[in-house]
Formats: sequence, structure tokens, C-alpha cells
Amino acid sequence: EAGVTQSPTHLIKTRGQQVTLRCSPISGHTSVYWYQQALGLGLQFLLWYDEGEERNRGNFPPRFSGRQFPNYSSELNVNALELEDSALYLCASSLGGRIMNTEAFFGQGTRLTVV
Amino acid sequence: DAKTTQPNSMESNEEEPVHLPCNHSTISGTDYIHWYRQLPSQGPEYVIHGLTSNVNNRMASLAIAEDRKSSTLILHRATLRDAAVYYCILRDGAYGGSQGNLIFGKGTKLSVKP
Repeated sequence: EAGVTQSPTHLIKTRGQQVTLRCSPISGHTSVYWYQQALGLGLQFLLWYDEGEERNRGNFPPRFSGRQFPNYSSELNVNALELEDSALYLCASSLGGRIMNTEAFFGQGTRLTVV
Repeated sequence: DAKTTQPNSMESNEEEPVHLPCNHSTISGTDYIHWYRQLPSQGPEYVIHGLTSNVNNRMASLAIAEDRKSSTLILHRATLRDAAVYYCILRDGAYGGSQGNLIFGKGTKLSVKP
């Protein structure tokens, strides 16, 4: 069975541009989480989607946004990129809805470099 | 969000047991205790989770205090591959709870010496 897949694996963008990152959860998982991990730092929570709805949002500016599609895949959009947005962006999925006590599985991440 | 407190770093010798502590004094009745670890240059991976009773799996054991205000992740025989950052997280298992979110703290960086 396929795990959580993220695309692209790496990309380089110029300051001021926009970027879209994609995440496909494990089949049957309805919850998707997004995290930002700057080099050498911890995981900062960005967004949590469950069954198509945004359930929680981390302390990030509005230029970070996302959505979850009917097939539970998800996109993370970042507008007006800044140099400090350079980081590893991780997506995780888990069973959601009424089953909230299970483990989450992480993808390998998208490494974003802003120059 | 409920908070957890972990030591910043710990050291262990290879093939010895490791006890990684976590304090969570504000835990609620529906919070599950989850442990994840992140190996260098990889995404986090699930280790174990529990609610009230001690739990065992192929990777580790989780010992939960009777009052649930603390827990300990036990690696029975540390290997070099266990060197990672270990995160203790509280996750609300109640349906509709916003705490069902997964918020990572700073974790404990475990070093394993040969």
C-alpha cells in the first residue's frame, strides 16, 4: 500500500512568487496535516484538514493557505514568497472523522528554497 | 493545546535500555499520549501511543503514570539507528475535539554511543 506522497520533492522559487505543494494521503485517511520545518528547527504546525474542512490553523500569515479535495488529497499554497519560507514542508495523514486516536503517517516532504 | 515537557537531549550507550520521560500535567481525560521520532533528514515516524494502560509494540514500550500526568517511552535495547529526535504529543481522541490536532514540541534529541 502506498504511503503519504508529496510533490514535488524539491523546488526553487524566487522571492515574491507563489508556490503550490501537493499531498496525497494514505487510502482511507481523511485527515491531512501540514507542517513547516526550517533547517535545524522543529515542526511548526500549519494547517489541519479533516473530511474536507479546515479544522485548525497554526500561527502563520494569511499568505499560507490550503484546501482539501473530495478525494482527501490536499494542497498547500504560499503566496508572495519570502526568503524565510525556505524549509521542508511535511504532510501527514491519519484516519479522521470519529477516529481521532490513531497514528499519523508522514510523507518525505517538499524541500522549498526561496532565492 | 495541551502541553508536554521533555528534556532537550539524552545520551545512551548502544544495546542499553533508554527511558525517555515526558510530563503532561494538564492532560485531559480524552487525550491520548503519542510518541513520534524523527531520524536525520527524514519525516517523523510513529512510535507508539496509549491512553491509560502501558503499551508495547515491536519498536518500544510506553509506560503511563497512574495519574496520567507523565509517561515514559522505553527503548529496550538502543541501537545506533535509534538516534533521533523523540516527540511526546497529546492528541484528543474525542470526536469533534479541536485537540485532535497534532502539535509537536521541541522533543528530546537522543544520541546513541557505540
